[in-house]
Amino acid sequence: DAKTTQPPSMDCAEGRAANLPCNHSTISGNEYVYWYRQIHSQGPQYIIHGLKNNETNEMASLIITEDRKSSTLILPHATLRDTAVYYCIVRESGNQGGKLIFGQGTELSVKP
Amino acid sequence: GAVVSQHPSWVICKSGTSVKIECRSLDFQATTMFWYRQFPKQSLMLMATSNEGSKATYEQGVEKDKFLINHASLTLSTLTVTSAHPEDSSFYICSARGRGRGHQPQHFGDGTRLSIL
Repeated sequence: DAKTTQPPSMDCAEGRAANLPCNHSTISGNEYVYWYRQIHSQGPQYIIHGLKNNETNEMASLIITEDRKSSTLILPHATLRDTAVYYCIVRESGNQGGKLIFGQGTELSVKP
Repeated sequence: GAVVSQHPSWVICKSGTSVKIECRSLDFQATTMFWYRQFPKQSLMLMATSNEGSKATYEQGVEKDKFLINHASLTLSTLTVTSAHPEDSSFYICSARGRGRGHQPQHFGDGTRLSIL
């Protein structure tokens, strides 16, 4: 079962920042937080991941709370192409790593 | 970035036939590959995990004799849906992860839409 909780849907105005929350209150010490998104009829696209420090790449920023029980994915300037289902997943690290188990995600609609 | 190629993109076939789907990692060695299935308006469901050179591990409720997985090389895994029936119609997606740090991300193919008539 998925170990994360996300709102089922969110709207965002084009050009504004999209802040997608995720709750993972049962996360363990060796589990990372991963974010993927799935645009309709395509495979999931990797966005970003982190353990405890905030992370930023060309796509997004990931803010993880100090207690690691929740995180927020930030798309700084949302465009219409960012409309997708966003999945927050926790997965253990280690030699083989764990499995990515998908929950229901957040359906983000970016509106003009 | 890492690229995973899946083929075919879509396939339509008659009930009772077997269908093979290929998944290739194009620019990295995939020590572990995963197969998912997704029904309309639902999330991805993990079917099985395979490590190169060993037998796949199937998730509970997934029939291993129905969904044959072969991971014979570090760049190729195949999923064969045997004696497919209309209820097997779905979106099948593969994913791959390479060597190295255990927290590196998995990368996904673009999926295969399977329709059984």
